[in-house]
Amino acid sequence: KQEVTQIPAALSVPEGENLVLNCSFTDSAIYNLQWFRQDPGKGLTSLLLIQSSQREQTSGRLNASLDKSSGRSTLYIAASQPGDSATYLCAVRGDKAAGNKLTFGGGTRVLVKP
Amino acid sequence: GAGVSQSPSNKVTEKGKDVELRCDPISGHTALYWYRQSLGQGLEFLIYFQGNSAPDKSGLPSDRFSAERTGGSVSTLTIQRTQQEDSAVYLCASSLKVQSVSPLHFGNGTRLTVT
Repeated sequence: KQEVTQIPAALSVPEGENLVLNCSFTDSAIYNLQWFRQDPGKGLTSLLLIQSSQREQTSGRLNASLDKSSGRSTLYIAASQPGDSATYLCAVRGDKAAGNKLTFGGGTRVLVKP
Repeated sequence: GAGVSQSPSNKVTEKGKDVELRCDPISGHTALYWYRQSLGQGLEFLIYFQGNSAPDKSGLPSDRFSAERTGGSVSTLTIQRTQQEDSAVYLCASSLKVQSVSPLHFGNGTRLTVT
């Protein structure tokens, strides 16, 4: 059974500092990995999606890496801003043999202080 | 539509009543997922649809929960004889297909409170 872990559960940084969010998963038979952002009382917004054959994806200040063999992904947010405050979740989609199921981590709650 | 639409956005019901939650996915998306998020908890997988069929119902917590999808579009999640532990935010998501290079898109959820 796939297990996805995000550490730390919460993170507080001053504005301008770079953010590093970690995601680890136990079963490397994945199809892709997706990072989401969730604001309080809202649904999830997709940030980046990395296919299992890729090692990283970039969008603006965001960069996500994937090391499938070690079961890890890292989301980097450069030059953090107060508007980056939210909960960040990673989700792993299993391959066909694993039932295509999308498994979420518990999230990292980020606070960027002005 | 422009995004995944869920209704109602909030539902308060008495213990023992039945509720229906609706999800309208992005037009053309064949894969549809239901998740539950309890206060302070992660997302719990409930069920997914590929077209109108549900290959994986393993996440449904009990036989009080059921879901259907008709016409490859709108899906309804039904909870019968609601219990207080059913209180949560129910999130729906869709993607082009299950094995898809496109991301999963979520609705804003239905907040269910069972009193």
